Amino acid sequence: DAGVIQSPRHEVTEMGQEVTLRCKPISGHDYLFWYRQTMMRGLELLIYFNNNVPIDDSGMPEDRFSAKMPNASFSTLKIQPSEPRDSAVYFCASRPITRTGIKLSSGNTIYFGEGSWLTVV
Amino acid sequence: GENVEQHPSTLSVQEGDSAVIKCTYSDSASNYFPWYKQELGKGPQLIIDIRSNVGEKKDQRIAVTLNKTAKHFSLHITETQPEDSAVYFCAASIRIGFQKLVFGTGTRLLVSP
Repeated sequence: DAGVIQSPRHEVTEMGQEVTLRCKPISGHDYLFWYRQTMMRGLELLIYFNNNVPIDDSGMPEDRFSAKMPNASFSTLKIQPSEPRDSAVYFCASRPITRTGIKLSSGNTIYFGEGSWLTVV
Repeated sequence: GENVEQHPSTLSVQEGDSAVIKCTYSDSASNYFPWYKQELGKGPQLIIDIRSNVGEKKDQRIAVTLNKTAKHFSLHITETQPEDSAVYFCAASIRIGFQKLVFGTGTRLLVSP
């Protein structure tokens, strides 16, 4: 498997511009997560989806941030308008559901992509 | 909500020495504790995890211990090698809302040859 694929790997943009980050989760994974990593705040969960439905977006910093998952193989995180304080590494991650007999349980392992390094100047 | 503290922030050891990284958590309901390794320019990767019904788990040179009473857990790496150099993150989550991992602030481990 190719793993979680993110694009772009690096983005430099000017303040006020719209930024769109893209993610392709691992095929068959039911959960998709967007994390942000900064030196000051570490790894923060922004939002996660289950079967393409947003479940918890309480980590999204403000209305300038939005995320969508139109189908099981694609998600976007959009920042509009971008600000310098949005500069960070944004990780997409996915997780499978494990099926044991008739019982479903969440797989433990979250698989991270290699991140999108965003710089807003 | 859950809060995870991690120490030390940096750790330098000589190749072959042991390294220990410690984390404490605040929510006694937390019952799942993974450790992630992040190499430069890459995403975090799970290296070992432990559930609250287990006190210790070992996988080759790495081991994790959990003290539920004290609410702390530790990562132990023995016979360190230069390729162990990376940033290590601990995390915790509760069963309900199992998807929401709270991460520690990370430990930068440097193993010198």
